[in-house]
Amino acid sequence: DAGVIQSPRHEVTEMGQEVTLRCKPISGHNSLFWYRQTMMRGLELLIYFNNNVPIDDSGMPEDRFSAKMPNASFSTLKIQPSEPRDSAVYFCASSRSGGATQPQHFGDGTRLSIL
Amino acid sequence: ILNVEQSPQSLHVQEGDSTNFTCSFPSSNFYALHWYRWETAKSPEALFVMTLNGDEKKKGRISATLNTKEGYSYLYIKGSQPEDSATYLCAFSSGNTGKLIFGQGTTLQVKP
Repeated sequence: DAGVIQSPRHEVTEMGQEVTLRCKPISGHNSLFWYRQTMMRGLELLIYFNNNVPIDDSGMPEDRFSAKMPNASFSTLKIQPSEPRDSAVYFCASSRSGGATQPQHFGDGTRLSIL
Repeated sequence: ILNVEQSPQSLHVQEGDSTNFTCSFPSSNFYALHWYRWETAKSPEALFVMTLNGDEKKKGRISATLNTKEGYSYLYIKGSQPEDSATYLCAFSSGNTGKLIFGQGTTLQVKP
């Protein structure tokens, strides 16, 4: 079975540019999570969706960040405009349901560098 | 603010040693505790999901216990092997929402 697929794997762009990260969850999984990993703060939940509906976006740092899930097999995380402090590894994960008793399956991450 | 603390931050052991580390979490409003293994240059991989006080789970040489009343979980590795070298993350949930609060992890290095 294919796991969670993220693209791109690496992104280097200049400050002020729009950045779009993409995620394809595991087929049949109803929940999708976006995380950011930094040295200072570790792995932080940004937003998660159940059945394509955003449930909790309290972790989204500011209005420059937005996430969408137009269908069950695709989600995007957009940063506009990007800033150097957004540099991090962004992970997408999915699980069978939105409950806490299901393990989350992570993609390989997108390493984002904003110059 | 819910805090999940893991200790030690890092650990170096010799091949064959058994080892354990701790995850501390708020004992109130407990719903679930997850353990993940994160190898360098890979993504976190689920090891266990635990929900009941006194729960004990095992996967090969790795096992975990859970004490929800006092707010801690232990992860044990018996007879460590170099391939066990990774960062071990625990994550806490206070409700059945899928929202996990991750600890900073314990990085284990097993020397051959």
